[in-house]
Amino acid sequence: DAKTTQPTSMDCAEGRAANLPCNHSTISGNEYVYWYRQIHSQGPQYIIHGLKNNETNEMASLIITEDRKSSTLILPHATLRDTAVYYCIVRVSGTSYGKLTFGQGTILTVHP
Amino acid sequence: DVKVTQSSRYLVKRTGEKVFLECVQDMDHENMFWYRQDPGLGLRLIYFSYDVKMKEKGDIPEGYSVSREKKERFSLILESASTNQTSMYLCASSLGGGRPYNEQFFGPGTRLTVL
Repeated sequence: DAKTTQPTSMDCAEGRAANLPCNHSTISGNEYVYWYRQIHSQGPQYIIHGLKNNETNEMASLIITEDRKSSTLILPHATLRDTAVYYCIVRVSGTSYGKLTFGQGTILTVHP
Repeated sequence: DVKVTQSSRYLVKRTGEKVFLECVQDMDHENMFWYRQDPGLGLRLIYFSYDVKMKEKGDIPEGYSVSREKKERFSLILESASTNQTSMYLCASSLGGGRPYNEQFFGPGTRLTVL
């Protein structure tokens, strides 16, 4: 599975958009990009995933560059409850029984 | 509402004790996973299971074993607990093969302290 690089930490003001970048320059054509987050003292929570098209759900939007070497997770109106560690994961779908490899992630702090 | 539950939120054991961590999911998922999470090391996969009685080693299986006798239940066993197994243990489950993606649902975690 491709390696990902994320900033260690980011800050965001409440009500503003939070844009979390992820580099995955060695991604292969059949690898998906997944985002999870982990709020303090809880287990990780799935947010969104994508292959090459931009994706949106009730939680967030995922923008994948045309060359697929990087992506951005967008939380359109961040709240204090969005303070968490955000993990970008790249893996081939349907292999290894869904095994995920978590990196260090980005600590997002949302300020009032 | 989908749910993964773990038997304890906090557990304190002594070195050398046998420890059982239980995980139950109510989503009829084929795959189940055990991770441990440590500061600076992130989440690391210990073992996973893709069917009843089937298991596969993850990245750090040493010192652990697992049991899956029923589809909904996946147990992590520390045969002889050691202080370096003090950690947060997270269980997860996901649907089986044939899907284009595999969303994993996580439990709340068990914080194990070995004295």
